[in-house]
Amino acid sequence: NAGVTQTPKFQVLKTGQSMTLQCAQDMNHEYMSWYRQDPGMGLRLIHYSVGAGITDQGEVPNGYNVSRSTTEDFPLRLLSAAPSQTSVYFCASRKTGRSNQPQHFGDGTRLSIL
Amino acid sequence: DAKTTQPNSMESNEEEPVHLPCNHSTISGTDYIHWYRQLPSQGPEYVIHGLTSNVNNRMASLAIAEDRKSSTLILHRATLRDAAVYYCIPRENSGYALNFGKGTSLLVTP
Repeated sequence: NAGVTQTPKFQVLKTGQSMTLQCAQDMNHEYMSWYRQDPGMGLRLIHYSVGAGITDQGEVPNGYNVSRSTTEDFPLRLLSAAPSQTSVYFCASRKTGRSNQPQHFGDGTRLSIL
Repeated sequence: DAKTTQPNSMESNEEEPVHLPCNHSTISGTDYIHWYRQLPSQGPEYVIHGLTSNVNNRMASLAIAEDRKSSTLILHRATLRDAAVYYCIPRENSGYALNFGKGTSLLVTP
């Protein structure tokens, strides 16, 4: 199994540009989420989804949109990139919303906003 | 979310056991205790989790104090590949987010 796949691995944007970070999982997991990790910091939750068609905001949702049209895919959209969004973005999935389920993470997308 | 306290860093020699402590004195009775690790330039990786009893898997052991206010992740024989940041995460039963905090940076020396 591929697990959680994120693309691209690296991206450089100019301020004001928009882009979509892709995330796909092949484990038929209900729950998916996006985190960002700034240098020397832990991960912070941006948005999450408990199933197709259902999304909700996490700790730091401003400037990001998500949608979940299929179980497999959970793209993250940056509407108008800002330098403060320079970060490493991780997508994660979990089989269900139950707290005893482990989360599986992708390898991340390293995003720089100039 | 329960608050956690972990050492900022620890060091171990290769092939020796490592005990990584975590204090979570405000943990509720239904919070699972999860441990993840993050190797350099990689996403976090699940290590182990438990509720009340000690747990073992192929990666590590988790020792949970009787009052559940602390836990210890045990790596039985550290390897160079175990050098990573280790996160202790008490998890609400219905919570969706993992509160990673800053974790413990483990250095393993040959």
